[in-house]
Amino acid sequence: DIQMTQSPSSLSASVGDRVTITCRATQIINNYLNWYQQKPGKAPELLIYGASSLQSGVPSRFSGSGSGTDFTLTISSLQPEDFATYYCQQSYSIPITFGQGTRLEIK
Amino acid sequence: QVLLVQSGAEVKKPGASVRISCKASGYNFISYAMHWVRQAPGHRLEWMGWINTGYGDTKYSQKFQGRVIITRDTSASTAYMELSSLRSEDTAVYYCARAYYDGNRWFDPWGQGTLVTVSS
Repeated sequence: DIQMTQSPSSLSASVGDRVTITCRATQIINNYLNWYQQKPGKAPELLIYGASSLQSGVPSRFSGSGSGTDFTLTISSLQPEDFATYYCQQSYSIPITFGQGTRLEIK
Repeated sequence: QVLLVQSGAEVKKPGASVRISCKASGYNFISYAMHWVRQAPGHRLEWMGWINTGYGDTKYSQKFQGRVIITRDTSASTAYMELSSLRSEDTAVYYCARAYYDGNRWFDPWGQGTLVTVSS
């Protein structure tokens, strides 16, 4: 199975900050990498697919990059509604696997 | 508006089975695969399997092979996930999610989740 590791696991930041979350796969997954946001008690919501394509309706302050084994999710200017947990997910091979999550908290 | 609505919370005893439904609306049900993902307390999201809603073929995570069955009723635009031989470690929120595919598979939207509690 492909293991996905996110860093950091938790992060404190302030409104307006630029934040970067990284996701590393244990083998090359091309660009088969997606990012989700999850708020407490809610289902995950898609942010980025194919490593860098912004899902329709998602604010442009979110962006994704990377290929191969290393990927990043960047939030250019944090807004109050962005404080949540973020997960990466690979679909290069079955089983589909997720990162452990990055909890983004208000400083 | 694309919507996935799941059945309600369940409480089961160890060894029992649970069946969760996921009713889709707002799109052509057979045009997208449906996946199931669970999230145990304090754990990461865990993929369980998927169904080709058109043909009905399935693929399961080896972890759940033999205990999970995913089916669908195209006339009702509904997918089902049944998990058997439940144990306490199966206590989790279970999600269905519509999948897009272009080589990559990504999930949008997700159902609201169904909490399954396994307790004696």
